[in-house]
Amino acid sequence: GENVEQHPSTLSVQEGDSAVIKCTYSDSASNYFPWYKQELGKGPQLIIDIRSNVGEKKDQRIAVTLNKTAKHFSLHITETQPEDSAVYFCAPRNMRFGAGTRLTVKP
Amino acid sequence: NAGVTQTPKFQVLKTGQSMTLQCAQDMNHEYMSWYRQDPGMGLRLIHYSVGAGITDQGEVPNGYNVSRSTTEDFPLRLLSAAPSQTSVYFCASAWLLGTSGTGELFFGEGSRLTVL
Repeated sequence: GENVEQHPSTLSVQEGDSAVIKCTYSDSASNYFPWYKQELGKGPQLIIDIRSNVGEKKDQRIAVTLNKTAKHFSLHITETQPEDSAVYFCAPRNMRFGAGTRLTVKP
Repeated sequence: NAGVTQTPKFQVLKTGQSMTLQCAQDMNHEYMSWYRQDPGMGLRLIHYSVGAGITDQGEVPNGYNVSRSTTEDFPLRLLSAAPSQTSVYFCASAWLLGTSGTGELFFGEGSRLTVL
């Protein structure tokens, strides 16, 4: 089955700084690459996704980049705010989730 | 606009007891799935369904049963609960996109289960 690795497991940044989370996958057939955000006590929620026919997608302060050759995709959050503090998960093809990255944004 | 509804939110069981976690969605999604979430391990897929009458196993199916008699409902049954099944359980639903798999997953709020 698909192997998914997510790094780092924890990330602490100062408000206004950028944050980058990387997800590596093994299945070359993967063609859908979403990122989910989970706030405390809630279910995960999609924040951005990308399909394999594009290399980058941006939505305001968040972006996802995809390197299909190297089999990894990354979540980029710019101008971080305290409300960005949450756990983030990658899930190639929505079949297997990464272990999660706990992002803390310090005011 | 309910989305995905899970019940109960909290449950405490004794070892060997059985119970059913309920999941219902009102978006007419073909795909439904159950996950368990344990500290440091992300979400692991237990069972999933691509339509009424069709179910399949995920990564960690042992000790759990599912059925899909309607498009809306996808209950998860624990036949004989064990302490190792203490976890937070999430149900999700999505559109199927043919060979592309599924679209965005919509999750319920979760069910916290403790087995003593």
